[in-house]
Amino acid sequence: NAGVTQTPKFQVLKTGQSMTLQCAQDMNHEYMSWYRQDPGMGLRLIHYSVGAGITDQGEVPNGYNVSRSTTEDFPLRLLSAAPSQTSVYFCASSYSHRHEAFFGQGTRLTVV
Amino acid sequence: GNSVTQMEGPVTLSEEAFLTINCTYTATGYPSLFWYVQYPGEGLQLLLKATKADDKGSNKGFEATYRKETTSFHLEKGSVQVSDSAVYFCALSTGGSNYKLTFGKGTLLTVNP
Repeated sequence: NAGVTQTPKFQVLKTGQSMTLQCAQDMNHEYMSWYRQDPGMGLRLIHYSVGAGITDQGEVPNGYNVSRSTTEDFPLRLLSAAPSQTSVYFCASSYSHRHEAFFGQGTRLTVV
Repeated sequence: GNSVTQMEGPVTLSEEAFLTINCTYTATGYPSLFWYVQYPGEGLQLLLKATKADDKGSNKGFEATYRKETTSFHLEKGSVQVSDSAVYFCALSTGGSNYKLTFGKGTLLTVNP
């Protein structure tokens, strides 16, 4: 049982480049979310999805896009990377709001 | 909107000391409450949870009680170990089409031998 798989684990981008962070889960969870973790800021919600075809913005959505074409996958796209997007990104999935969220191992992104 | 406020720390304790990390929340409806733990270089993992008022979550010697009257979910452990050194996050979730999992800023705990 793989759980939540994030790729890549590390990435360095130049300002203005675009990339996609991948997230896949094999637990048939409807709920999926993306967070960024910055020192002293905790985890901040970027985008979330309550099912295939449904996405919504979280606390810090600017500069990021998401789509949810299948239950399993929830990719996060950076359209034009900026140094302010240097962070650790976590993807999570959950069966419902009363159940625990399972987290991927994170992607450490550096934008230079 | 929903929010979680927790003691930010850092907290430094000696082995076998008593631990309390305070957490209070603001939410509409009836949220579920969680404590997650993050060990260095790893993702978050669930420590314990409570889904309704007066529920007590417990795991690995840690406990927290869902107090609706004080909107609190304080984490406690009677005797900490060096292996408990980690960052602890209090979180709440609300459901349905408005599902969100909201985190506090985290508390760094260091336990010295």
